[in-house]
Amino acid sequence: EVHLVESGGGLVQPGGSLRLSCAASGFTFSTYVMSWVRQAPGRGLEWVSTISGSGVTTYYADSVKGRFAISRDNSKNTLYLQMNSLRAEDTAVYYCAKENLYRIRVFDYWGQGTLVTVSS
Amino acid sequence: DIQMTQSPSPLSASVGDRVTITCQASQDINTSLNWYQQKPEKAPNLLIFDASTLETGVPSRFSGSGSATDFTFTISSLQPEDIATYYCQQYDSLPPSFGQGTKLEIK
Repeated sequence: EVHLVESGGGLVQPGGSLRLSCAASGFTFSTYVMSWVRQAPGRGLEWVSTISGSGVTTYYADSVKGRFAISRDNSKNTLYLQMNSLRAEDTAVYYCAKENLYRIRVFDYWGQGTLVTVSS
Repeated sequence: DIQMTQSPSPLSASVGDRVTITCQASQDINTSLNWYQQKPEKAPNLLIFDASTLETGVPSRFSGSGSATDFTFTISSLQPEDIATYYCQQYDSLPPSFGQGTKLEIK
C-alpha cells in the first residue's frame, strides 16, 4: 500500500527557510515522478513543483521559482522541498503527491500534508 | 497558463439527488482532465482521470464526461459521505492547474 508522510512544517518568520520532507513507501520510489502541491487556508489547490524519478529534471511554479528547490534521495525513498525567502503568501498546507506512471501530472496518491505558517 | 473555471460553488443538494458540476478550460486540453474529492482536513483523493475514467475503487455513482474545453462531473445519487469539495485539474500542459473548487453541501 502506498504511503506518503510529510514532515518539517512549522512557524517561520518572513524571509526565513524551511525544508519539508516526504517519506514514501509501498512502491518503487525511483520509478515515479513526484510533486508538491499546496493549499492556503480556506483556499484551493496550487501546484508548486515536480521532479523526475531520477531527480535530473525539475519544474517550478512561477510563484516559487528561484526561492524553492525540489530534490529527492532515492536511496532513502524521500522527497524534499527546500523553501527559502519565505513570504506570508507561502502559508499553506503542503502535500507531496505521487504521479501516475503512465499519465504525468495525474496525482494518484497524496500525503496527509504539513502546515507551513509564515508570520512574524 | 491554462485557467480552469468550475461552477457552481457552493452547491446544495439533497441525499439521492443527481448532482452535476461543470469545469471549463481556457483552451483546448483534449481529455487531460482529473477530478478530485477533498473532505475537510483531508488530502485530495483522485476520482476520475482522462475526463471519464474512474480510478480503481471509486464508486460507480461518480462519472465524468467532456473534451476540449467543457467538462462535467456527475454524482448519480448523492450519498451523505459525498459531502466534500470537488476540484477539476488539467494536466495537458505545465503548469498543471486546478479549478477553484465546488463545495457540496447537504440541503
